[in-house]
Amino acid sequence: EIVLTQSPGTLSLSPGERATLSCRASQSVSSVYLAWYQQRPGQAPRLLIYDASSRATGIPDRFSGSGAGTDFSLTISSLQAEDVAVYYCQQYYSSPPCSFGQGTRLEIK
Amino acid sequence: QVRLVQSGAEVKKPGSSVKVSCKASGGTFSNYAFSWVRQAHGQGLEWMGGIVPIFGSAKYAHRFQGRVTITADESTDTAYMEVSSLTSEDTAIYYCVRQRGTFGTSFDYWGQGTQVTVSS
Repeated sequence: EIVLTQSPGTLSLSPGERATLSCRASQSVSSVYLAWYQQRPGQAPRLLIYDASSRATGIPDRFSGSGAGTDFSLTISSLQAEDVAVYYCQQYYSSPPCSFGQGTRLEIK
Repeated sequence: QVRLVQSGAEVKKPGSSVKVSCKASGGTFSNYAFSWVRQAHGQGLEWMGGIVPIFGSAKYAHRFQGRVTITADESTDTAYMEVSSLTSEDTAIYYCVRQRGTFGTSFDYWGQGTQVTVSS
């Protein structure tokens, strides 16, 4: 099974700052089989980025994804209060089964 | 717009079974993979298994093989997940997901989640 490790565990930044979240895979997942999800408190997760760098429908362009192989990142260019959430990466290269990272909690100062 | 509506919260006794439904609307049902993801309180996301209705046979995560059964009814556009031999460790929110395509694609649409509580 492919293991995804996310860092940092918690990120605390001010409004308007840039956030960079990392996701590292235990083996290559190619350049496209990775997604990012946002889970706001008390809500179901929602898809932000699929195929490593494609924004899902309705997702603001301040969210962007990049990476290939084993190293991926999610960047939020200018943080807003509504971005408070836990962010998960997911690989579906080996699907089934797919696997998720353990999550990065994003806090706004 | 695709919408997934799951059945309501359940409270079950240890050793019993629970069956959760997921009614899909707003898109084609049979050609997409429907997966189930669970989340224990304060924990991360865990894929349990999934099915592509037109193909019929479900795939399961190894740890749930033999204890989880996923089915789909094409006549009602509804997916189901049943977990047997429940223990307190099965207490979690269970999400139904419709994927972008078949297996090997992103999880594009999520249901609202179903809380399952296992308690004596």
